[in-house]
Amino acid sequence: DQQVKQNSPSLSVQEGRISILNCDYTNSMFDYFLWYKKYPAEGPTFLISISSIKDKNEDGRFTVFLNKSAKHLSLHIVPSQPGDSAVYFCAASATSGTYKYIFGTGTRLKVLA
Amino acid sequence: DTEVTQTPKHLVMGMTNKKSLKCEQHMGHRAMYWYKQKAKKPPELMFVYSYEKLSINESVPSRFSPECPNSSLLNLHLHALQPEDSALYLCASSQGWPSSYEQYFGPGTRLTVT
Repeated sequence: DQQVKQNSPSLSVQEGRISILNCDYTNSMFDYFLWYKKYPAEGPTFLISISSIKDKNEDGRFTVFLNKSAKHLSLHIVPSQPGDSAVYFCAASATSGTYKYIFGTGTRLKVLA
Repeated sequence: DTEVTQTPKHLVMGMTNKKSLKCEQHMGHRAMYWYKQKAKKPPELMFVYSYEKLSINESVPSRFSPECPNSSLLNLHLHALQPEDSALYLCASSQGWPSSYEQYFGPGTRLTVT
């Protein structure tokens, strides 16, 4: 039972355009969400997080949006750069529960120059 | 310094071997984690240590034995593994547990069991 899903295994975007990566979750207890980026042969690198008390969080080119009623979050990257090409994982945790991260299956983003 | 280091980077071992994976962080974090990641799958939590004590064991088989000698070091001792245990093993650390702090990951050890 996959509690965190990323339904797009891959995404290609032109350099300078917006990349939108999506993530859906099923467990209504999840209230803290994170995005990680992973290059080949490296561990995941933390990008940005959002608590369920907010619906948006920005950090430079990266913005995460949370829609609690739809149990959906998205990561926007604007403008996209070739160096953003990587696998992106969303992760969710329940701060009233075990705080374990449950990761999505990942989306491979390719930014075309 | 937000670096988590792991050694070795690659490990090939037979089913009768005993080996250990090592992880180190110098960020003063008090929580450390082991994850297992199979190809094209998300990382899956195996163990959580908080203040050098085992807090979570996700029903991991006993052929995997974690150890936290001090707050900076985390080991994973391997014995009598099966070929299906071949995977990328990731170590991570965070400021504390339980908490919603972000976790910092090492580059992983790619393990192949023959």
